[in-house]
Order: sequence, then C-alpha cells, then structure tokens
Amino acid sequence: DAGVIQSPRHEVTEMGQEVTLRCKPISGHDYLFWYRQTMMRGLELLIYFNNNVPIDDSGMPEDRFSAKMPNASFSTLKIQPSEPRDSAVYFCASSSFLAGGKETQYFGPGTRLLVL
Amino acid sequence: SQKIEQNSEALNIQEGKTATLTCNYTNYSPAYLQWYRQDPGRGPVFLLLIRENEKEKRKERLKVTFDTTLKQSLFHITASQPADSATYLCALGRNAGNMLTFGGGTRLMVKP
Repeated sequence: DAGVIQSPRHEVTEMGQEVTLRCKPISGHDYLFWYRQTMMRGLELLIYFNNNVPIDDSGMPEDRFSAKMPNASFSTLKIQPSEPRDSAVYFCASSSFLAGGKETQYFGPGTRLLVL
Repeated sequence: SQKIEQNSEALNIQEGKTATLTCNYTNYSPAYLQWYRQDPGRGPVFLLLIRENEKEKRKERLKVTFDTTLKQSLFHITASQPADSATYLCALGRNAGNMLTFGGGTRLMVKP
C-alpha cells in the first residue's frame, strides 16, 4: 500500500498568492483529515470528511481557507490569499472503520509551506 | 477550555533504560487516548490506543496506562534504544465524531 500521498512536499510562495495542497488517502479509507503543525500551536485539526462530506470545519482559521473532496481518492486544501502566518507543515491523514478502526489515523508525509 | 499537556522539554535517557512520558489533560472526557511517534520531516505514526475502560495496554516494548481519575496517561518504552529517539504525541478522542486533539509532544533522546 502506498500510504497517504501528499503533493507538493514543499511549497514556497509569496504573500497574496493562491496555494493548493493535494491529498490522496489510502484506498478504501472513508475518513480524511487535514491538519496544520507549527512549533507554537502544535498539530491542529482543520477539517475532516467522512465519505467525501465535510463533517467538522471548526478548525479552519478563516475564510481564506477552503477544502474539498470531490471523490473518495482526492482532496484539496486551498489558501487564497496566502499570508506569512500560514507558513506551517500541512498534513493529510485518513482512517477507516474497517482497517484498524476509524480512530487510528494514517498520516501523509506533509507539505511544508513557506509564505514570504 | 480543553488542554492537553506533555512535557515540552526533551527527555534524555541512556540506552537500555525505561523511558516514561506523561500526558495530562483538563476539561476533557475522552473515550480513548492514542500515542503517536513523529520523526523529523515525517508525519505522525500510530503506536497504541487505549480506551477509557482500560487501565493498561502493551505492545512489544511499549506500555500505556490510562487513569481517567487523575486525567493522565503514561507511556513507557522499556529497554530503550537510540532508534526510539523521536517526538511522541498523545491524542485524545471521543466516540462522537472522529476528531483527535493532540498534545504538543515530547522529544525523546536515547543516548548509546
């Protein structure tokens, strides 16, 4: 199994630009999570989906952030416009009720975002 | 507000000793608690899950305890090895929904 796949692995952009992060969950997993990790705030849940439907987006910092899951094998997290304070590592994770229990989350390698 | 505390200072121990990491929480009633390992530049990796009605869980050299009265979990690595050096995160979850709340993590350094 390839595990959770994220792209790009690194992204450097300038303030005001649009940033799109991509995630492919493990095949067959029905939960998908987007997290942000910084030294100051640790690992924070931004939003999660179940069967492609957003369930809880209370962690999304503001309207500049949006996430979609058009099908079971693909999700995007978009920041528009980006700001320097958005610099962080963004992780995608997936889980399945059947594979190890829905509580066990499998994380991707992360996207390291730097906004100048 | 919910708060999960892990020792932010690095834990340095000698190879072969038992490492003990602590996770304390307040204003939270978790149904289960998980421990993850995170290496630099990588995503967290699941290690163990313990539910609120369980006192202790073991997996090879790992042991987790969960005391809902003290609101504390202890994570032990016996016969520690330099390869165990990493950051360890605790995470709390409820049965309703599928959200995890993570602690800040503790960095473990095992010296040969």
